[in-house]
Amino acid sequence: EVQLVESGGNMVRPGGSLRLSCAASGFTFEDYGMSWVRQAPGKGLEWVCGINVFGTKATYADSVKGRFTISRDNAKNSLYLQMNGLRDDDTAFYHCASGGAAAANDYWGQGTLVTVS
Amino acid sequence: QSALTQPASVSGSPGQSITVSCAGTSSDVGAYYYVSWYQHHPGKGPKLMIYDISYRASGVSNRFSGSKSGNTASLTISGLQAEDEADYYCSSYTSSGTRVFGTGTKVTVL
Repeated sequence: EVQLVESGGNMVRPGGSLRLSCAASGFTFEDYGMSWVRQAPGKGLEWVCGINVFGTKATYADSVKGRFTISRDNAKNSLYLQMNGLRDDDTAFYHCASGGAAAANDYWGQGTLVTVS
Repeated sequence: QSALTQPASVSGSPGQSITVSCAGTSSDVGAYYYVSWYQHHPGKGPKLMIYDISYRASGVSNRFSGSKSGNTASLTISGLQAEDEADYYCSSYTSSGTRVFGTGTKVTVL
């Protein structure tokens, strides 16, 4: 069974930092680009960033560029999101998903809640 | 990058067909076949329904179909069922090398 399990969500002050993790199982993680997608309360889905299979190329939405960094560890089947300079409008559920910027997102996690307040 | 434009809501009676539109630009929807559709029930992770404009994801009912004309993509649900009630989002690759989602459509089964 495919599973993506996010962790690390928490409440943080504006300007603070947080690191999210996503543990993957049930599929060959190293064969998939990966993405982070977020949903603010009462709002729609927003693609945040994506990374290629090797972890050598990452792309970011303008709203997070320069503040967030996506990375992965294929040996640990894990995806990460380092979030710095957090703002109120970064408050959202953060989902990890298989598929980078171009590929469709086949598998999704349930999400982890980040609250900036 | 602006969100793709979807109607806020679409409704239909059981058995009817409905279509959800997704309007983009020549820099996203109009430029690539990397257009996908997702079904989202609150509190759950989204589910891939359609990828590459018109291909159904594994296990998805053939009542769901996708198409594209110019800068607008469409999702059609035929033989509408109560279980289809959910939020639906389109998504497209962009010329900036990023991905953009649509504004989302709430599908209601009357």
